[in-house]
Amino acid sequence: GAGVSQSPSNKVTEKGKDVELRCDPISGHTALYWYRQSLGQGLEFLIYFQGNSAPDKSGLPSDRFSAERTGGSVSTLTIQRTQQEDSAVYLCASSPTGLNEKLFFGSGTQLSVL
Amino acid sequence: QKEVEQNSGPLSVPEGAIASLNCTYSDRGSQSFFWYRQYSGKSPELIMSIYSNGDKEDGRFTAQLNKASQYVSLLIRDSQPSDSATYLCAVNQGGKLIFGQGTELSVKP
Repeated sequence: GAGVSQSPSNKVTEKGKDVELRCDPISGHTALYWYRQSLGQGLEFLIYFQGNSAPDKSGLPSDRFSAERTGGSVSTLTIQRTQQEDSAVYLCASSPTGLNEKLFFGSGTQLSVL
Repeated sequence: QKEVEQNSGPLSVPEGAIASLNCTYSDRGSQSFFWYRQYSGKSPELIMSIYSNGDKEDGRFTAQLNKASQYVSLLIRDSQPSDSATYLCAVNQGGKLIFGQGTELSVKP
């Protein structure tokens, strides 16, 4: 595709349910980030994938959060046993090499946990 | 101490004035710095990058970097109402891009 694609655009779930958020980066981009943005706040770093290297998971807020990237392309962020404080916009971004470059952002997934 | 700090604002300036946005960072080893603009309900978009001490100008935007003071700023000259947005400072720290909480700018006609 022409840009970073995220799905779903909106997700409403009940507390305690698991959710999966998908990111399809720009073709050929080796670097992929997940960020979380709560209302009126900045971007909170979650996880960073770079090529075949082990991902930097240092931003994941708890062990309920996990992410994988298959075949160096599509990434899935999974949140288990969702809590109300998980409600936020989850943004995915990619860049060609991850070396001091512009990030291309997707439109985000708005997650609401009731 | 947060890794990347910005005043949350809102910063209000009249149309035609200079808007000055500031950012400090904690990692002395950081080498690359970015300013992103985010309109309400939209995703961030890159407006400036800077890697060396000093000033870098692009149209009405000037980024300033002082690594000794761990300080980076963005000046917007001749501010327009269309510049009203949240401006996010981002710093490459430890190989990953860390964002500040953003400064909301409002340009009044």
